[in-house]
Amino acid sequence: KAGVTQTPRYLIKTRGQQVTLSCSPISGHRSVSWYQQTPGQGLQFLFEYFSETQRNKGNFPGRFSGRQFSNSRSEMNVSTLELGDSALYLCASSSPGLAGGESWAKNIQYFGAGTRLSVL
Amino acid sequence: AQSVTQLDSHVSVSEGTPVLLRCNYSSSYSPSLFWYVQHPNKGLQLLLKYTSAATLVKGINGFEAEFKKSETSFHLTKPSAHMSDAAEYFCVVSDHGNYGQNFVFGPGTRLSVLP
Repeated sequence: KAGVTQTPRYLIKTRGQQVTLSCSPISGHRSVSWYQQTPGQGLQFLFEYFSETQRNKGNFPGRFSGRQFSNSRSEMNVSTLELGDSALYLCASSSPGLAGGESWAKNIQYFGAGTRLSVL
Repeated sequence: AQSVTQLDSHVSVSEGTPVLLRCNYSSSYSPSLFWYVQHPNKGLQLLLKYTSAATLVKGINGFEAEFKKSETSFHLTKPSAHMSDAAEYFCVVSDHGNYGQNFVFGPGTRLSVLP
């Protein structure tokens, strides 16, 4: 089974531009989560999508947005890039149970290799 | 609200000696706990998970962790370190207080293994 695939692996942008990152989850997984990893802030949760709906959102400004398609692939968009947006962006997929609640927490998240974004 | 504390930002051990990476958590609900490892320029790989079954959890590559509710701890151990264990280790807590996935990562512990 193929793992989580993130494209592109590396990206260089300038301040003020926008960027779109892509994530293809493991086949059959319907939940996709996005994280930002920086040396100063560590790993921070951005948002989670399930069946094309945003389920959870972290504490990031509205410049960060995402969406999920019917095939569970997800994209993340950052508009009006700032220097501080330079980071490794990680995507994770999981296969939640049919019910919410505790079954959600138990599901393992499988991570992609990430997209390293540099903003100049 | 959930939170995770990893007490050591950096741990250095000699090859063949035991490894102990400490993790304490805070959660309003019965948590699920995970340890992930990240090698340089790589994604995160799951080492092991605790989800309210046995309190002593065995993972891959000889790692184990013990869930101690009274101490709110989930320390990661390995009897004998190998050079390939050098990496960043993250303790993660997830509860079902919110509908959907809600992983909270600790700040990470960098493990160095000396020859």
